[in-house]
Amino acid sequence: EAGVTQFPSHSVIEKGQTVTLRCDPISGHDNLYWYRRVMGKEIKFLLHFVKESKQDESGMPNNRFLAERTGGTYSTLKVQPAELEDSGVYFCASSQAPRETQYFGPGTRLLVL
Amino acid sequence: ELKVEQNPLFLSMQEGKNYTIYCNYSTTSDRLYWYRQDPGKSLESLFVLLSNGAVKQEGRLMASLDTKARLSTLHITAAVHDLSATYFCAVGPGATNKLIFGTGTLLAVQP
Repeated sequence: EAGVTQFPSHSVIEKGQTVTLRCDPISGHDNLYWYRRVMGKEIKFLLHFVKESKQDESGMPNNRFLAERTGGTYSTLKVQPAELEDSGVYFCASSQAPRETQYFGPGTRLLVL
Repeated sequence: ELKVEQNPLFLSMQEGKNYTIYCNYSTTSDRLYWYRQDPGKSLESLFVLLSNGAVKQEGRLMASLDTKARLSTLHITAAVHDLSATYFCAVGPGATNKLIFGTGTLLAVQP
């Protein structure tokens, strides 16, 4: 069974540009999470989807970040416009049910210049 | 707000030695996870600890949970080079579904 996949693996953009990250969860997992790790800091929660609904978006840093999960399958996280402090590794995770083990993707490494 | 402190941040150890990584958290939680991450790879789930006194073992790794002390430990027995990775503890606070992570411990096992 395929694990959580993320695309792209790396992205280098200039400040002010837009970037869209994609996450494909494990098939059948209704719960999808986004996290990010800024250089030198902890991995921090961004938001949680149950199917296509946002269950918890308390970790989203500001309105430059927009997450969607149309149809309850894959999810996208758009950063527009990107700022220098957005650089880091963005992880996606999925679980079959809430509060069950979350399975993580390899992350997207975003560098904003 | 729940805080998770993990130490040490970096651990260099020789093959064959034993060591322990500590994970303290600040408020009540009913779920604690240990993950392993190899460079450029996914976080791999190692253990889930759900109750006070829980102990789980897999190979040379053993994890335990003391909910009264709000402390989990990851003990490494007779380390081998293949265990070199970054280890994270993560806590699931209360009724929420998100995880709060520690800073991670970079483990380097030297031959």
